[in-house]
Amino acid sequence: NAGVTQTPKFQVLKTGQSMTLQCAQDMNHEYMSWYRQDPGMGLRLIHYSVGAGITDQGEVPNGYNVSRSTTEDFPLRLLSAAPSQTSVYFCASRGTGSSGANVLTFGAGSRLTVL
Amino acid sequence: DQQVKQNSPSLSVQEGRISILNCDYTNSMFDYFLWYKKYPAEGPTFLISISSIKDKNEDGRFTVFLNKSAKHLSLHIVPSQPGDSAVYFCAASPHNTNAGKSTFGDGTTLTVKP
Repeated sequence: NAGVTQTPKFQVLKTGQSMTLQCAQDMNHEYMSWYRQDPGMGLRLIHYSVGAGITDQGEVPNGYNVSRSTTEDFPLRLLSAAPSQTSVYFCASRGTGSSGANVLTFGAGSRLTVL
Repeated sequence: DQQVKQNSPSLSVQEGRISILNCDYTNSMFDYFLWYKKYPAEGPTFLISISSIKDKNEDGRFTVFLNKSAKHLSLHIVPSQPGDSAVYFCAASPHNTNAGKSTFGDGTTLTVKP
């Protein structure tokens, strides 16, 4: 009953370092995505995946890399961290709500600070 | 160009009264709309949705209205409760099956005062 699990919850990086944000879901959802949320702004789509082995870019993909080797996992890699990537990152998967709608289930978020 | 706009960053209402949160969109290809609620330090959670074939959808205290000609939707919460205090995001997508590619507004912070 975990839903979408993100790790770590908090991370501080120095400019130029790389890291991976982990995301796992246990609902057997085919669709998974990564969003970032900056202060006073909405959620912007970084990358998404419609199934294992298939990924595509969203609205703000630069500086990030993803892969989808299994249905459950969708890690987000920061290749060379920059201060502009300081943000809260949300992983989400898509299922079917009780109304028949396709709704996103979000993780609790990963707060990243790049110094 | 922001395709989904929530022009009120914040809203404060008294407990028991109605809360009305507004959302405007510009892309005429959007035909599916969702509202999410977000508490601090948590991820957003789905609240209610509406498709373009309807002009109203109700779920308990929450009702969403859609005016396609005006490209406007609103979320009504009646009666408002202190536990409703959260950030509310409006989201839109061109097709139900693309709800995962929803475009989000910047959110409205609702404060319900006891």
